[in-house]
Amino acid sequence: AQSVTQLGSHVSVSEGALVLLRCNYSSSVPPYLFWYVQYPNQGLQLLLKYTSAATLVKGINGFEAEFKKSETSFHLTKPSAHMSDAAEYFCAVSDGKSGNTGKLIFGQGTTLQVKP
Amino acid sequence: GAVVSQHPSWVICKSGTSVKIECRSLDFQATTMFWYRQFPKQSLMLMATSNEGSKATYEQGVEKDKFLINHASLTLSTLTVTSAHPEDSSFYICSARELGTRVILTQYFGPGTRLLVL
Repeated sequence: AQSVTQLGSHVSVSEGALVLLRCNYSSSVPPYLFWYVQYPNQGLQLLLKYTSAATLVKGINGFEAEFKKSETSFHLTKPSAHMSDAAEYFCAVSDGKSGNTGKLIFGQGTTLQVKP
Repeated sequence: GAVVSQHPSWVICKSGTSVKIECRSLDFQATTMFWYRQFPKQSLMLMATSNEGSKATYEQGVEKDKFLINHASLTLSTLTVTSAHPEDSSFYICSARELGTRVILTQYFGPGTRLLVL
């Protein structure tokens, strides 16, 4: 079975500071990994995805994530936080067992707070 | 880009009534749609996978008679919460897989429907 663990349910940074949101996964097969952002009372927006190509993945809004197989991690970073980045962030892994069904397993989520 | 809509965005109903939530892919055809449930301050839990023209596949612990899913066309899936009770109050989110492409690259999420059962 696959699983995702997001370390830290709440992260607070100052505007302009580095953003680091941690995600570790467990998978018996090569995983596909995703980061999504959710603003209050809205659905999910895809930030970026890893699909076995380049290990450093660049996404929208200046975010990027690096797949590290040896550490089973897929941490999300952004060099300089903006107030508009305040939201809930979810890491997800595709269920390899289901193959192309696209079933996603989500982490618990991390709330990012950006202080002025 | 691909857009998924949900209707209604908000619904308040009395206990015992049934509520239907629609999920539409607006500019693409979707063979597969997924229904998630999200409680406040929690993650998304997959409820079921809906395939066009066939029965939905429910996750363990999800009552299929309670949460009826219909995927009658390539652009519409509906979730009906039957005989709703206060514990069914939640945020329901759907996602859609684009026809003919690898799902991991083309799954789009709707904006969600908030259900409050009184």
